[in-house]
Amino acid sequence: EAQVTQNPRYLITVTGKKLTVTCSQNMNHEYMSWYRQDPGLGLRQIYYSMNVEVTDKGDVPEGYKVSRKEKRNFPLILESPSPNQTSLYFCASSSAVTNEKLFFGSGTQLSVL
Amino acid sequence: GEDVEQSLFLSVREGDSSVINCTYTDSSSTYLYWYKQEPGAGLQLLTYIFSNMDMKQDQRLTVLLNKKDKHLSLRIADTQTGDSAIYFCAKMAGGGNKLTFGTGTQLKVEL
Repeated sequence: EAQVTQNPRYLITVTGKKLTVTCSQNMNHEYMSWYRQDPGLGLRQIYYSMNVEVTDKGDVPEGYKVSRKEKRNFPLILESPSPNQTSLYFCASSSAVTNEKLFFGSGTQLSVL
Repeated sequence: GEDVEQSLFLSVREGDSSVINCTYTDSSSTYLYWYKQEPGAGLQLLTYIFSNMDMKQDQRLTVLLNKKDKHLSLRIADTQTGDSAIYFCAKMAGGGNKLTFGTGTQLKVEL
């Protein structure tokens, strides 16, 4: 089954404790992206990657890092989480060829205390 | 920057039609989308329309695009309680994969 898998679904942590949210897709997609969803703000893009070893900032990259060492994986790293990073995070992927469809993961609800 | 705006809330009776509206500021686009988010779930692509089209119908869903007014709408016919969700419009900028999302419209279907 074609899917985008994020882990974990829920995460509660404390300020300053490094964490990684994983994202994996099994569709051989070139493009992958991270969004955060906040009430009244919709979804805002954090980082994206057009292919392996190619990453770029989205609209709200501050406080986040990403890496794209393999095509299928695109982890989101918070080196020193802060409470304003409490949010619902979504990973997404699409084909560079048929790029009209963006497939989303189920989301990761992060709470930073 | 790009702005995509939606009203925050819509309430309809079961069996009625729902119309969810979206406006945007940047006229350069390739595709425009409607996503549905049910409670505790991710985003599900409902339908999309290419920017050179005015209308697309898919079963109970009708998408209308008015490029002159930069207005996109989603009509759901015979709305059911299972349609209760948050609906996001989104647009893709020309030449890229980035989607810009609206703020989302919470649709509540009452019996």
